[in-house]
Amino acid sequence: NAGVTQTPKFQVLKTGQSMTLQCAQDMNHNSMYWYRQDPGMGLRLIYYSASEGTTDKGEVPNGYNVSRLNKREFSLRLESAAPSQTSVYFCASSPFASEGTEAFFGQGTRLTVV
Amino acid sequence: KNQVEQSPQSLIILEGKNCTLQCNYTVSPFSNLRWYKQDTGRGPVSLTIMTFSENTKSNGRYTATLDADTKQSSLHITASQLSDSASYICVVTGLTGGGNKLTFGTGTQLKVEL
Repeated sequence: NAGVTQTPKFQVLKTGQSMTLQCAQDMNHNSMYWYRQDPGMGLRLIYYSASEGTTDKGEVPNGYNVSRLNKREFSLRLESAAPSQTSVYFCASSPFASEGTEAFFGQGTRLTVV
Repeated sequence: KNQVEQSPQSLIILEGKNCTLQCNYTVSPFSNLRWYKQDTGRGPVSLTIMTFSENTKSNGRYTATLDADTKQSSLHITASQLSDSASYICVVTGLTGGGNKLTFGTGTQLKVEL
């Protein structure tokens, strides 16, 4: 049972380049989330999908787009990367469409924008 | 503004010793509080959840307490092991008109040494 799988684990982008972070979960969870984690700050919610077919903005959505491809997969896209988007990105999933239930996290994607 | 503050920021202890990590929050209305353990290079993993009516909950060598009146929680680690070296994150769920909202602390970095 793999849980939540993120790809890639590491990525270096040049300013202005685009990329998509992939996330898949095999726990049949309804809700999925994208967070970013920066030094000295708590995890911040970028976007979430309460259930298949729905997506909503979180605390820091600017510069990002998401797609809930199906129940298993939730991708995060950076259309034009900026140095301020250098961060560690975590995908998470939870059984119910409500924050506060236990979230299961992937191992993270360390992104550097130069 | 909802905030979660953790102390200390970092802590070094000898293997076998006990330690206590603190979490103070201003989130209101309160739904629940979770402690997560995040190993280096990994995503957070839930250790325990505390709801409004719970004062103490244990998970092996980890014991969490909650004082909802003073809005404080602690995580006590007994007989520490090298594998306890990690960041411990306090996450508080607040109730909003649009659903639950998580507020993450910045974590306490614990290092257990021989």
